[in-house]
Amino acid sequence: DAGITQSPRYKITETGRQVTLMCHQTWSHSYMFWYRQDLGHGLRLIYYSAAADITDKGEVPDGYVVSRSKTENFPLTLESATRSQTSVYFCASSEMGGIRNTEAFFGQGTRLTVV
Amino acid sequence: AQRVTQPEKLLSVFKGAPVELKCNYSYSGSPELFWYVQYSRQRLQLLLRHISRESIKGFTADLNKGETSFHLKKPFAQEEDSAMYYCALSGYSNYQLIWGAGTKLIIKP
Repeated sequence: DAGITQSPRYKITETGRQVTLMCHQTWSHSYMFWYRQDLGHGLRLIYYSAAADITDKGEVPDGYVVSRSKTENFPLTLESATRSQTSVYFCASSEMGGIRNTEAFFGQGTRLTVV
Repeated sequence: AQRVTQPEKLLSVFKGAPVELKCNYSYSGSPELFWYVQYSRQRLQLLLRHISRESIKGFTADLNKGETSFHLKKPFAQEEDSAMYYCALSGYSNYQLIWGAGTKLIIKP
């Protein structure tokens, strides 16, 4: 299917475990983003990528790792999950102009609970 | 600091009534402003952006630099407008959007 897909949709994990959230897009968009959304707050940027093998920190990167070996995939890893990382995570992509100049397309979201 | 404020967490209006969702921002330069919407069980999607000056689904938004606002308006609300609405700001970068906390709009029949 064309579009942007996140997996899993729901995840419960224990404190200290490593967790990887997957994001896959079929449009060959240059930019990809990971956001987290906490209750009562707007989306906050964790990491973004302007192209394959180019990633950079966003507003709240601590405790997260990303990679982008292929244009279409942008996995987000929580190296050692903490309760404060309980959140809804959104992946998004946009064309070469970036999120300022072109529309951002979002995945369905992953609801992560750390117990 | 860049900031987007949506003062209403919840807005409830009757079908056919006018709707105004407020968005105020703090930014010293020339921002790009956006409204994104998330309907129930659907993905977050772009509704409109100020630079395009379009009317989408009957909604309009005017950038008021003097009042630093970008309120979303619709003259006659419809039940299908019920959704979460997010205002977002982009400054000088191609990667950064600053998001408001969102307003849940409920249209009562």
